[in-house]
Amino acid sequence: DQQVKQNSPSLSVQEGRISILNCDYTNSMFDYFLWYKKYPAEGPTFLISISSIKDKNEDGRFTVFLNKSAKHLSLHIVPSQPGDSAVYFCAASNSGTYKYIFGTGTRLKVLA
Amino acid sequence: GAGVSQSPSNKVTEKGKDVELRCDPISGHTALYWYRQSLGQGLEFLIYFQGNSAPDKSGLPSDRFSAERTGGSVSTLTIQRTQQEDSAVYLCASSLAPPNEKLFFGSGTQLSVL
Repeated sequence: DQQVKQNSPSLSVQEGRISILNCDYTNSMFDYFLWYKKYPAEGPTFLISISSIKDKNEDGRFTVFLNKSAKHLSLHIVPSQPGDSAVYFCAASNSGTYKYIFGTGTRLKVLA
Repeated sequence: GAGVSQSPSNKVTEKGKDVELRCDPISGHTALYWYRQSLGQGLEFLIYFQGNSAPDKSGLPSDRFSAERTGGSVSTLTIQRTQQEDSAVYLCASSLAPPNEKLFFGSGTQLSVL
């Protein structure tokens, strides 16, 4: 049972344009969400998080949007840069527990 | 060190051998996680430690897998009688006490079982 889904395995975007990565979840008990970026041969690095009491969180070029009714979150990167090319994972947890459930990732390629 | 350290970075072993993977978490982080990423897959939860105890071992794929943590710090993941399907990147992460604390990951151990 895949509780966190990233239905787009890959995405290509032109440099300077917006990248939108999507994530859907099925468990309505999830109330904390994170995005991670992973380069080859490295561990995932934290990008941005959002609590379910918010619907938007912004950090520089990265913005995460949360739509609780649709059980959907998205990560917007504006403007996209070639160095953003990586695999992006979303993760979700229930703050009553410690377990983070990760999606399968979306490979973003930013074209120069 | 400043980050989560894992060793070895690469391990090639023969089917049937035992392997030990090591994780040094960030100092002061009481929570420690092991995840596994198989080729083309997402991150699969294996086990969680709070201090030295593991309240959730539900993600361990079989009884060939075990993990321990000593002194609230270093953790080892042991795989006995390795199988080819064990080949994956094994990732360790640590955090301050949950909930809602971001995980800091190590670079992982690439395990290849021939």
